[in-house]
Amino acid sequence: DAKTTQPPSMDCAEGRAANLPCNHSTISGNEYVYWYRQIHSQGPQYIIHGLKNNETNEMASLIITEDRKSSTLILPHATLRDTAVYYCLDARDYGGSQGNLIFGKGTKLSVKP
Amino acid sequence: NAGVTQTPKFRVLKTGQSMTLLCAQDMNHEYMYWYRQDPGMGLRLIHYSVGEGTTAKGEVPDGYNVSRLKKQNFLLGLESAAPSQTSVYFCASSYRASFLAKNIQYFGAGTRLSVL
Repeated sequence: DAKTTQPPSMDCAEGRAANLPCNHSTISGNEYVYWYRQIHSQGPQYIIHGLKNNETNEMASLIITEDRKSSTLILPHATLRDTAVYYCLDARDYGGSQGNLIFGKGTKLSVKP
Repeated sequence: NAGVTQTPKFRVLKTGQSMTLLCAQDMNHEYMYWYRQDPGMGLRLIHYSVGEGTTAKGEVPDGYNVSRLKKQNFLLGLESAAPSQTSVYFCASSYRASFLAKNIQYFGAGTRLSVL
């Protein structure tokens, strides 16, 4: 099972920022946090990852709390195409040396016009 | 920039038929994975490979075989298809598997398989 917890669903208005929280309270100091998403009927897509500092790329921003127990994925200007299930993973969500991903339930984000 | 390409995208089989799913990646990744995803479920690992010529069983390997003769290709075979193998199959690749290092997996678009 996944070691992170996320709200099951969230709504966001198109053009507004979507803030998706994740709790990873048992994360260790050297374990990364990763975010993926899966748009309906498509393969999962990597979004962003971070260790301690906040990160930003062309898709999103990642804010990690100072104690690293939680993080927030920010989609600054959500569009209808951002409607998807978003998964937060930490290192324990990788299957050991195999490296396979173990997705939990994720957060189903619905972006509405 | 193709990334990970899966063929075919859709397939319908009759019980007992065989088929091969092809996954190709152009990122020179060492690690490749085959997952299956059933409705409302997460990803389950079928088989994986840590390099050319090597394969290993994952969580749900029964009824499937794999081969990695070339680094860029990872084939998934169904020897005698069963209705329980109706699923969406995803292939993924990554540069490395260590959870302490950057380990980003890139996925294909999926193969939707129905076994009647």
